[in-house]
Amino acid sequence: DAKTTQPTSMDCAEGRAANLPCNHSTISGNEYVYWYRQIHSQGPQYIIHGLKNNETNEMASLIITEDRKSSTLILPHATLRDTAVYYCIALSNFGNEKLTFGTGTRLTIIP
Amino acid sequence: KAGVTQTPRYLIKTRGQQVTLSCSPISGHRSVSWYQQTPGQGLQFLFEYFSETQRNKGNFPGRFSGRQFSNSRSEMNVSTLELGDSALYLCASSLVGLNEQYFGPGTRLTVT
Repeated sequence: DAKTTQPTSMDCAEGRAANLPCNHSTISGNEYVYWYRQIHSQGPQYIIHGLKNNETNEMASLIITEDRKSSTLILPHATLRDTAVYYCIALSNFGNEKLTFGTGTRLTIIP
Repeated sequence: KAGVTQTPRYLIKTRGQQVTLSCSPISGHRSVSWYQQTPGQGLQFLFEYFSETQRNKGNFPGRFSGRQFSNSRSEMNVSTLELGDSALYLCASSLVGLNEQYFGPGTRLTVT
């Protein structure tokens, strides 16, 4: 699996868009970018994933650069409940891959 | 649809004892994975089961084992507990062939 690099922590004002970057410069052609988050004392929660096109769901948007070496997770209107550790993971989509969590980005939403 | 459930939620054991944790996946999910989370090592993959077979294994000693039943429910067992086994143990389930894993609330194990 490709290694991913994320900032250790970020702050965002409540109601603003939170933009979380992830670098995955060694990603291979068959590897997707997955995002999970973990709210304190809970199990991780799947957010979104993508291969090369931008993706959007009810939780977030995922913007992947054309060269696929980096991506950005966007939470359009951050709320206090979005305070969590966000993990960016690159892996193939064959279904028997183990999730390898790095240290993630600790996002704090400021009231 | 009910989420992933794990029992028990909290457990206190003594060094040298063994423990069994249980996980019930989301209905229809046949793949179950287990993870260990500690402050020092973060989230680490233990193993994954599909159709009662272990398909993937992380780098943990043989004291950590698991199994899956025909109804996809899974158990993990840790024998000869050590202080360092104190952790949050998380179970996740997914549909076959997908990496969208849905996690349970975890079992917090404390070894004294």
